[in-house]
Amino acid sequence: ETGVTQSPTHLIKTRGQQVTLRCSSQSGHNTVSWYQQALGQGPQFIFQYYREEENGRGNFPPRFSGLQFPNYSSELNVNALELDDSALYLCASSPDPGQVSYEQYFGPGTRLTVT
Amino acid sequence: AQTVTQSQPEMSVQEAETVTLSCTYDTSESNYYLFWYKQPPSRQMILVIRQEAYKQQNATENRFSVNFQKAAKSFSLKISDSQLGDTAMYFCAFMGPRSGSRLTFGEGTQLTVNP
Repeated sequence: ETGVTQSPTHLIKTRGQQVTLRCSSQSGHNTVSWYQQALGQGPQFIFQYYREEENGRGNFPPRFSGLQFPNYSSELNVNALELDDSALYLCASSPDPGQVSYEQYFGPGTRLTVT
Repeated sequence: AQTVTQSQPEMSVQEAETVTLSCTYDTSESNYYLFWYKQPPSRQMILVIRQEAYKQQNATENRFSVNFQKAAKSFSLKISDSQLGDTAMYFCAFMGPRSGSRLTFGEGTQLTVNP
């Protein structure tokens, strides 16, 4: 148990729809990162939030957006879903990036299927 | 940009034997962190072991140890006395000094421990 939770566990959406995935970070962790893991591949960094501000972004289009809230929860929003968005979405929380924070605590992931 | 390469998509080992998983990476940084993560079928990403690049001594955690060759940019994981519960996907990951906890993952190695 890492103390990081994600919801929902699974969901199925139709191409063109919008989806919101949720993550609850470990208490005291001000940084949350989101990763996309396609089937059979390693996770790819989407973006990171630190104290409610975006703090780095990977090679993902603007239809991937996020929010972080003061209560250690965060959201990943994906608009105009495409078939290639089908993947496992992982969130990971860590202490302030200014610290030597090599500890990242991953949630169990949300499996998104786009049909 | 940093890259991480795992050249062994699949490996298998007999229970109680030793297996080594390979990982190479590319970076221009001199100080960074390297990790091995385990992802069982439950999907939870679990930290197995970490290595700080400025430390010459190879990290060890019980049955898990690494062979860190900084000049060769190689970071292999050795699992001794393999157990059935070690069956999982193993990912090598890199974190740079200014990456704000962002991880770059390899493609993974599926390890199967046979009874």
